[in-house]
Amino acid sequence: EDQVTQSPEALRLQEGESSSLNCSYTVSGLRGLFWYRQDPGKGPEFLFTLYSAGEEKEKERLKATLTKKESFLHITAPKPEDSATYLCAVQGPGYSTLTFGKGTMLLVSP
Amino acid sequence: DADVTQTPRNRITKTGKRIMLECSQTKGHDRMYWYRQDPGLGLQLIYYSFDVKDINKGEISDGYSVSRQAQAKFSLSLESAIPNQTALYFCATSLGPGELFFGEGSRLTVL
Repeated sequence: EDQVTQSPEALRLQEGESSSLNCSYTVSGLRGLFWYRQDPGKGPEFLFTLYSAGEEKEKERLKATLTKKESFLHITAPKPEDSATYLCAVQGPGYSTLTFGKGTMLLVSP
Repeated sequence: DADVTQTPRNRITKTGKRIMLECSQTKGHDRMYWYRQDPGLGLQLIYYSFDVKDINKGEISDGYSVSRQAQAKFSLSLESAIPNQTALYFCATSLGPGELFFGEGSRLTVL
């Protein structure tokens, strides 16, 4: 059974204070690891897909990295508008569906 | 207009009532999904459909049923709602196995 564990559950940062969110996973044959952002009362919004260890993707202040056991979402010099819940999900072999972690709630204070 | 539209956005009902949540999409995707989200539990897959003739159970399908009326429409039904089905429900679509596009959600309260 695929498993995804995200840490921390919640993170409070000051504006400009860089940090990282962690996503640890167990899956037999990773086909893809996905990061989503979810604002309160909204549906999740896709950010990145990572396919193999060593891969990195960047978008504005966010950078996602992948190893064989975990992924990190690095947030550089965050702004209040980066406040959201960040979800990680994995896809195993075949036509399997995504398994989501419980998310990390990020709050960035001005 | 949103690419993935869910109706109703909010619904309060009573125990034992039949409820239908509807989802329509304009993205032209074959794959559609229904998820449930509870505080502290993350997103759980209820049902999914890879094309009009394909329906599959997810991890928490008990107490739910679905209907895929067309490529663009996928409905979720609660035949006899119970209080622990109070949750935020999301419909999603995808072109392939990866990137999902979510609707705005339907908040259901069962009294």
